[in-house]
Amino acid sequence: SQTIHQWPATLVQPVGSPLSLECTVEGTSNPNLYWYRQAAGRGLQLLFYSVGIGQISSEVPQNLSASRPQDRQFILSSKKLLLSDSGFYLCAWSPGDGQETQYFGPGTRLLVL
Amino acid sequence: DAKTTQPPSMDCAEGRAANLPCNHSTISGNEYVYWYRQIHSQGPQYIIHGLKNNETNEMASLIITEDRKSSTLILPHATLRDTAVYYCIVSPGNKLVFGAGTILRVKS
Repeated sequence: SQTIHQWPATLVQPVGSPLSLECTVEGTSNPNLYWYRQAAGRGLQLLFYSVGIGQISSEVPQNLSASRPQDRQFILSSKKLLLSDSGFYLCAWSPGDGQETQYFGPGTRLLVL
Repeated sequence: DAKTTQPPSMDCAEGRAANLPCNHSTISGNEYVYWYRQIHSQGPQYIIHGLKNNETNEMASLIITEDRKSSTLILPHATLRDTAVYYCIVSPGNKLVFGAGTILRVKS
């Protein structure tokens, strides 16, 4: 069966520090991968999605970037965090074969101080 | 923007069926109706999806009207663990736009 991992589970970072969040998927090949953010009390916002290695689409302009160095690895990064980057970051995958139901990871809760 | 309208909150008695409505009057022919739920502090959990036929799985049933402009998610025997935010989403599949959802409170 497929599983999706995210780490760390929680993170407290100072303003201006760099960020790297990692997501990995097991049990599938060539998945579509997604990064979402959920600000406190708000809905989920799609940040990036990827249909293959090195292929990244950005949905909203922001202080973040994404990379997909391996088929089942998706990384969310920032060079300098802002207070507004605080939130709950969720990674998701879908089979990428026309059946596009998305399955979410446990999330990383980021607090920027 | 989300293309669905859901009530902000609903209550349901434990053991009874929970019927969560969703309006999607502008749904396109190639768009599916997806339902997810999010329990506090967790990632969203896929529940069910459908195109135009009613669907049932181990978690829930999805009833889609013939004109596809609305749907209802049915949890047949709600438990306290079903308390969550329920999201109704219409999408061709590759992108999900989450709205505010319905907060379902299951009470004993």
